Amino acid sequence: DTGVSQDPRHKITKRGQNVTFRCDPISEHNRLYWYRQTLGQGPEFLTYFQNEAQLEKSRLLSDRFSAERPKGSFSTLEIQRTEQGDSAMYLCASGTGGDGYGYTFGSGTRLTVV
Amino acid sequence: KQEVTQIPAALSVPEGENLVLNCSFTDSAIYNLQWFRQDPGKGLTSLLLIQSSQREQTSGRLNASLDKSSGRSTLYIAASQPGDSATYLCAVRLKAAGNKLTFGGGTRVLVKP
Repeated sequence: DTGVSQDPRHKITKRGQNVTFRCDPISEHNRLYWYRQTLGQGPEFLTYFQNEAQLEKSRLLSDRFSAERPKGSFSTLEIQRTEQGDSAMYLCASGTGGDGYGYTFGSGTRLTVV
Repeated sequence: KQEVTQIPAALSVPEGENLVLNCSFTDSAIYNLQWFRQDPGKGLTSLLLIQSSQREQTSGRLNASLDKSSGRSTLYIAASQPGDSATYLCAVRLKAAGNKLTFGGGTRVLVKP
């Protein structure tokens, strides 16, 4: 296990379509995070899982967004009825817990809504 | 609300010069601060993690300092190389925010040969 994996790397979709992204965290990490990054900005927090429980969601995560981590391992982020404003880099990160831990990020999924 | 600011937003230096990147944050009650590198269209690579009890961390040509009381961190990159060209992001993990990171907007660095 060499790091956090995200799939796909790039996704182009038509407005109104649904898309799903996958994240495979580092195997011993029980915490998993989703962030969104638009061009020229820093990443913004979307949601956080500890094991299979979704413990926090940002108000950025509208009703069209849903995230799951069914068995406490990989996670999926689904966007329904995509809009052009959803175009961004979606980043996944994982961590081990505890006050001092850092985060390991994946390479991201670049979404373009046309 | 925690705000993280990085100045300058962009920086261009000739090869061999030392780089100094600044990060400031408004809430000093943090667990740690992390510096990341991001190449165009790519994910984030962690460079250095400084715990709230530490003053600095070093890795090779990189040195990061933390002054929690004044809400500042500085990333120094010695003897810059063209391969150092990237965007550098700082992020703080707030005690009040639990688990999420709050990022600055980044400093885009270009090292000219």
